[in-house]
Order: sequence, then structure tokens, then C-alpha cells
Amino acid sequence: DAGVIQSPRHEVTEMGQEVTLRCKLISGHNSLFWYRQTMMRGLELLIYFNNNVPIDDSGMPEDRFSAKMPNASFSTLKIQPSEPRDSAVYFCASSLSRGNYGYTFGSGTRLTVV
Amino acid sequence: EDKVVQSPLSLVVHEGDTVTLNCSYEVTNFRSLLWYKQEKKAPTFLFMLTSSGIEKKSGRLSSILDKKELFSILNITATQTGDSAVYLCAVRQTSGTYKYIFGTGTRLKVLA
Repeated sequence: DAGVIQSPRHEVTEMGQEVTLRCKLISGHNSLFWYRQTMMRGLELLIYFNNNVPIDDSGMPEDRFSAKMPNASFSTLKIQPSEPRDSAVYFCASSLSRGNYGYTFGSGTRLTVV
Repeated sequence: EDKVVQSPLSLVVHEGDTVTLNCSYEVTNFRSLLWYKQEKKAPTFLFMLTSSGIEKKSGRLSSILDKKELFSILNITATQTGDSAVYLCAVRQTSGTYKYIFGTGTRLKVLA
């Protein structure tokens, strides 16, 4: 089991550019979560999906952020246009919907917007 | 507003010391509380607690939940430098939601 796979591991981009973060779920998991982590605010839930359907996107900060889950094993988080305040580590996590043992996190994407 | 508060925010101890990390919560429809350890990368799962008063133990780490007073503690005995990490507490609600509300974490540094 390869775990939750995120790419890229690091991304440095200029303000105004589009950024796409990618996540591959663990096989058999059907819930996916995008979190953002900063020193000031800790881990913040952005959006989560269950069976490919977005359930709660109330944490998405602005219209500049969008997330998709085109199939059961893959998701993208897009920021367009990016801003310096978007700099953070973005984690993707997955879980079994009927399980109760928390998430399995990916290794994260460290985004720096300059 | 639902919230999870961890204390202290940071802690520096020497190897061999015992530490207690605190997590208090104000969450509607509580279902479970989890502890994670985060080193340089992704958080890794430590414990899940659902019932009051039942201690979970793994080696030098242990945790317990008090659902009446709405808090949990994570104890680490005989600390080692490898215990240096951020320890995160997260609470899950019922009502069909799968999301966890995370605290900001306690940063533990263990000195040799």
C-alpha cells in the first residue's frame, strides 16, 4: 500500500500564477480531505469529499480556490490566481467512510507564493 | 463555535522527563478524539479515544479522555529526543460528518 500520494512535494510560484496540487487516495478509501497548515492557524479543513461528491467546502477561503475529484482515487486543489498569503503546507488525507480511525495523511505540498 | 484547544503551545524538556499534553474541546455531538504526532512531514496516528476513563497505551505513550470535563491528556514518560514533534489533537463529530476539528498542536522539544 503506497499510502496517500501528493504532488508536487514543493512548489514555488509567483503571485498571480495558477497552482494545481494533486492527491491520490489509498485504494479502497472513499473519503478525501484537503487541509492547509500554517504556523499561525494550524490545520484548517478546506474541503472534503465522500464518494467523489463534495460534502463540505465551507473551509475554502475564497473563490480563487477550487477542488475536484474526477474519479474515486484522485483529486486536485487549484488556486487561481495565487497570492503570497496562500503560502502553506497543503495536506491531503483519506479515510474509509465507515471507519473511525482518523485519516491517513499524505506527505503534503509545501507551497510558497512570492 | 466548535473548537479544540491544546496546551501548552510549546514545551522543552530533557531526556528522561515525563510530559503531559492537554487537549480541551467544545464540540457539539462529540464522537471521538484522536491524537497525532507530526514530525517533519505528515501527521501520524497515535490514539483514538471514544470512552471516558479508559486509558490507551502504546509503549511510553498513554492517553485518556474525560467526556464530562471535555478534555484529554497525552502522557509521555521517559522522553527521548525522538519524541520531539508537534502533537495534534483532533475531535470528530457525529451527525454523519467525517471531518475532524484540529487543535493548533503542542510543539515538544526533548533535549539530550
